Amino acid sequence: AQKITQTQPGMFVQEKEAVTLDCTYDTSDPSYGLFWYKQPSSGEMIFLIYQGSYDQQNATEGRYSLNFQKARKSANLVISASQLGDSAMYFCAMREGPGNTPLVFGKGTRLSVIA
Amino acid sequence: NAGVTQTPKFRVLKTGQSMTLLCAQDMNHEYMYWYRQDPGMGLRLIHYSVGEGTTAKGEVPDGYNVSRLKKQNFLLGLESAAPSQTSVYFCASSYRGYPTGDSNQPQHFGDGTRLSIL
Repeated sequence: AQKITQTQPGMFVQEKEAVTLDCTYDTSDPSYGLFWYKQPSSGEMIFLIYQGSYDQQNATEGRYSLNFQKARKSANLVISASQLGDSAMYFCAMREGPGNTPLVFGKGTRLSVIA
Repeated sequence: NAGVTQTPKFRVLKTGQSMTLLCAQDMNHEYMYWYRQDPGMGLRLIHYSVGEGTTAKGEVPDGYNVSRLKKQNFLLGLESAAPSQTSVYFCASSYRGYPTGDSNQPQHFGDGTRLSIL
C-alpha cells in the first residue's frame, strides 16, 4: 500500500486564487511528520512547510498553510493568492516514527497557474 | 552558501560502464540521502547514511553502492550501469534532530544529476 497518496496528477488555478493540493497518508505509528516540497521546472527541491503528528495547530508559512486532519489522515497544502511563480510540481512526504527517519514521497501534483 | 552540491550535473554512460556521483554538504549535517526521480514515480530512496562510516539501504538499493568516509561527503556508485538506471538523482542532507518525538528537520536537496544510460 502506498504510504503517501496524491490523487491529483495535475491542477490548474487562476492567478490570485487559492488552491488546495491533496495528500493522504498511511501509517500506524503515532509519531510522524509531514512535509511539502516544491519542484519548479528548473528541478531543485524546495522545502515549503512541516506538520508534526502532535502539533495542535495547522502549520502556516507565508502563503502556504497545511490543512491537517489527523482522523482522516490527510495533510492538504493550501496556497493562497496564487502567483505565476507557483507553477511547479508539489510533493507531499512523510517521516514515520520518532527521530529523523528517511522521508517517503508521494508521486506529486503538477500545479499550473494561469494569468 | 553552497548547501548541498552534486557532481556532475549531467552524464551519459554506456551500458556496463561504472561511475560515481559525488554529494558534498557544508552544513555539518549528520544525515545524508540518495534518491532517484523517475517520471510519475516521485522520489524513491536508494541509500542513506546517519553518520560518517555508516550506510543503510532504502527502497530501491539494487545496482547501487554508497560510501560515507567523511561527514560532508556521500558517494553513490554504479558498478555496471543499466538502462533502467536512467534517472535524475538527488542527494539530500539533514540535521539529526531529536532522537525521540517529532523531528521537524527538513531535508535539504542538491540540484540533481541527470544520468542517461544508453
